[in-house]
Amino acid sequence: AQSVSQHNHHVILSEAASLELGCNYSYGGTVNLFWYVQYPGQHLQLLLKYFSGDPLVKGIKGFEAEFIKSKFSFNLRKPSVQWSDTAEYFCAVKPGNTPLVFGKGTRLSVIA
Amino acid sequence: NAGVTQTPKFQVLKTGQSMTLQCAQDMNHEYMSWYRQDPGMGLRLIHYSVGAGITDQGEVPNGYNVSRSTTEDFPLRLLSAAPSQTSVYFCATRRVAGELFFGEGSRLTVL
Repeated sequence: AQSVSQHNHHVILSEAASLELGCNYSYGGTVNLFWYVQYPGQHLQLLLKYFSGDPLVKGIKGFEAEFIKSKFSFNLRKPSVQWSDTAEYFCAVKPGNTPLVFGKGTRLSVIA
Repeated sequence: NAGVTQTPKFQVLKTGQSMTLQCAQDMNHEYMSWYRQDPGMGLRLIHYSVGAGITDQGEVPNGYNVSRSTTEDFPLRLLSAAPSQTSVYFCATRRVAGELFFGEGSRLTVL
């Protein structure tokens, strides 16, 4: 079945550590790719998106993601996390004209 | 400019009761959708609409009805609530090709 897979359910990092969250999808053809963040008790907010062009996308708050078409991946990275990055992160894929599909999310806990 | 407004924010129902979750947007987006969020399940699409008068089912439509009589409003109806419908519900809208904008969410508990 077509799907969006986020490999890590819960990631725990110390402040200043580097972050990489994996996202793979199984759709062929043209896709639009997104990462959303949900801070505790809040709604989802867009971190970054990829539609076309440069496969390295920069988003808000120092996050970036790289689209690797051959690997069907769109991994999220941040060089140095802060305590305020504690949140749940969702990868989402929009295949063609069909609705957006979300991964199950990765909870990030950043400890001092 | 309120964006996407959901009401109510919290609701407790008894099994078998009915209710409507309201979603209103002032961004003139054609596309509106309802998701439910459950722990460990991510967000799952319930119903969506690409414009007034047009609705379609998502991944988990059973037990829910929608209608879209105006561009601005997209209510979600639970006709006979079940405990399995305890969840957080998010309304989201977008332009023809773009990212989703989410409401603040509605937390529903069915006893």
